[in-house]
Amino acid sequence: EAGVAQSPRYKIIEKRQSVAFWCNPISGHATLYWYQQILGQGPKLLIQFQNNGVVDDSQLPKDRFSAERLKGVDSTLKIQPAKLEDSAVYLCASSNRVGYTFGSGTRLTVV
Amino acid sequence: AQSVTQPDIHITVSEGASLELRCNYSYGATPYLFWYVQSPGQGLQLLLKYFSGDTLVQGIKGFEAEFKRSQSSFNLRKPSVHWSDAAEYFCAVLGTGNQFYFGTGTSLTVIP
Repeated sequence: EAGVAQSPRYKIIEKRQSVAFWCNPISGHATLYWYQQILGQGPKLLIQFQNNGVVDDSQLPKDRFSAERLKGVDSTLKIQPAKLEDSAVYLCASSNRVGYTFGSGTRLTVV
Repeated sequence: AQSVTQPDIHITVSEGASLELRCNYSYGATPYLFWYVQSPGQGLQLLLKYFSGDTLVQGIKGFEAEFKRSQSSFNLRKPSVHWSDAAEYFCAVLGTGNQFYFGTGTSLTVIP
């Protein structure tokens, strides 16, 4: 089966600019997650969707981060405006009752 | 609260030597435990997982891990390390809400 697709792979932006990441989960996976992995740390959950509804966004900095999954399939994560400390790899994952798969991530550098 | 501790930030071993990466977890119920490997610029690859049953779990690439409830540990082992094993290794517990809680990772360097 195809894996979790993410784009772009890399992005460099200046602070205060906005950026968006896209994720296409594995077909049939109802649950979708966005994780943030700062250099030297393990990934941390930002937001979790079940179909197109938000299950947990308690760790999402809502003043600058937003995410949506309008049709219960693809998802976008947006940062506006970006700060230097947002430099990280943003991992998307999807799951069903059987499996849990991570995408390759988008590496964001804010300069 | 769920959490995972990986005490070793960085480990260096010689090629062919044995390897053990430590992982301790905190979780109220029976944990679902995982080891992932991440090469530079790559995503997370699942090495092995423990849900229940036999406490010694075999994974890919010759890795194994042993679940020890009394010690709240899930250490990863490999009898003979290859140069291609150099990477970052993450231990994780699947917590409430079906979200992962990762350790901070252990960076493995393999010297010839």
